[in-house]
Amino acid sequence: DAKTTQPNSMESNEEEPVHLPCNHSTISGTDYIHWYRQLPSQGPEYVIHGLTSNVNNRMASLAIAEDRKSSTLILHRATLRDAAVYYCILRSGNTPLVFGKGTRLSVIA
Amino acid sequence: DAGVIQSPRHEVTEMGQEVTLRCKPISGHNSLFWYRQTMMRGLELLIYFNNNVPIDDSGMPEDRFSAKMPNASFSTLKIQPSEPRDSAVYFCASSFGQGANEKLFFGSGTQLSVL
Repeated sequence: DAKTTQPNSMESNEEEPVHLPCNHSTISGTDYIHWYRQLPSQGPEYVIHGLTSNVNNRMASLAIAEDRKSSTLILHRATLRDAAVYYCILRSGNTPLVFGKGTRLSVIA
Repeated sequence: DAGVIQSPRHEVTEMGQEVTLRCKPISGHNSLFWYRQTMMRGLELLIYFNNNVPIDDSGMPEDRFSAKMPNASFSTLKIQPSEPRDSAVYFCASSFGQGANEKLFFGSGTQLSVL
């Protein structure tokens, strides 16, 4: 699997936007970029995914660089309930999700 | 739909005992995944099934671990005999397919403590 690199931790103020970066310089043309998050004491939860174009859903937006070597998960207005570990994962073909260490997001009231 | 259902939520057992973890995937999903999470190793994929057939079990730690999927609505992960180092949270997940475009839905996990 192609690897991703994420900061270990980030901090945000409540009600402000959060940009979570992910580098994936060895991404292949068939790799989808997936984001999952894991709230404390819960299982991972799907957030968003995309291939080439930017994506929006009710939870977040995904901005994908033109060369696809990096992407950014955008939470438009962080709340205390968004405090979690966020995982950026590449997936292609029929390969399963392989989790890295992710970014631990803290939200300050 | 109730989502992926795992049981039990918590299991405390003594070393050497057999442990069976259970998972009911979302109805209509045909791929099922078992993961294990520890502080040291993070989230690890143990095994996954497609259409009830095991596809890749290379993540299963050793022969003490076994998993079955007798039908589309039920899977078990068994540890026999259990050891303290098996203590972890075990997650089951399911998806509509195994393609790269598919989303996985996770259960709430089983917290296993082996004393």
